[in-house]
Amino acid sequence: QVHLVQSGSEVTKPGASVKISCKSSGYTFTSYGISWVRQAPGQGLEWMGWISTFNGDTKYSEKFQDRVTMTTDTSTNTAYMELGSLRGDDTAVYFCARDLAFFVPTVYFEFWGQGTLVTVSS
Amino acid sequence: DIQMTQSPSSLSASVGDRVTITCRASQTFSSYLNWYQQKPGKAPILLIYTASNLHSGVTSRFSGSGSGTEFNLTISDLQPEDFATYYCQQSYNAPRTFGQGTRVDVK
Repeated sequence: QVHLVQSGSEVTKPGASVKISCKSSGYTFTSYGISWVRQAPGQGLEWMGWISTFNGDTKYSEKFQDRVTMTTDTSTNTAYMELGSLRGDDTAVYFCARDLAFFVPTVYFEFWGQGTLVTVSS
Repeated sequence: DIQMTQSPSSLSASVGDRVTITCRASQTFSSYLNWYQQKPGKAPILLIYTASNLHSGVTSRFSGSGSGTEFNLTISDLQPEDFATYYCQQSYNAPRTFGQGTRVDVK
């Protein structure tokens, strides 16, 4: 069955960067994509961006465009999301979710990682 | 960006009640609307995709309807396990925005 397993919690300082991993199993990694969604404490869900694990194409939310980088390693079936210039309001749980290989409307997030808590504090 | 607005933001209901949550979009996008359930400390769970399609394994007490700019999630015969927060999400374009959530708690 499909599993997405994320890396563990992180505590980082303002201005630093954090890189979270999302390791997939149970399906052909390069036939899909990965979206990243975050949730600040007590808040709603916020879509950050998408990467195709088929061809490496990316689409980022404009809100994060200048400080997020999404990558994949097809040799280990792992997707990564790096967020830089961290601020206190970046404290959140970050989720990966299986998306499609191409950025099309007919997508829904059937499979999710367990979430990674990132705490930004001086 | 397409803004998604859910109403109500929260509601109190009893076991056995019928509950309807509405999601309104700032622009039309056909039926590219999904619904998720989330419980505290857990990842969201897909309930409904493309407005009205029940995801595999999800109880038929959940149903979705609507198109264009107004969509509804209905829970019939509310059960104890249904007390949670519900989110709509448009998948029409980037950013794939979510509604702010509707918390359903016990009356």
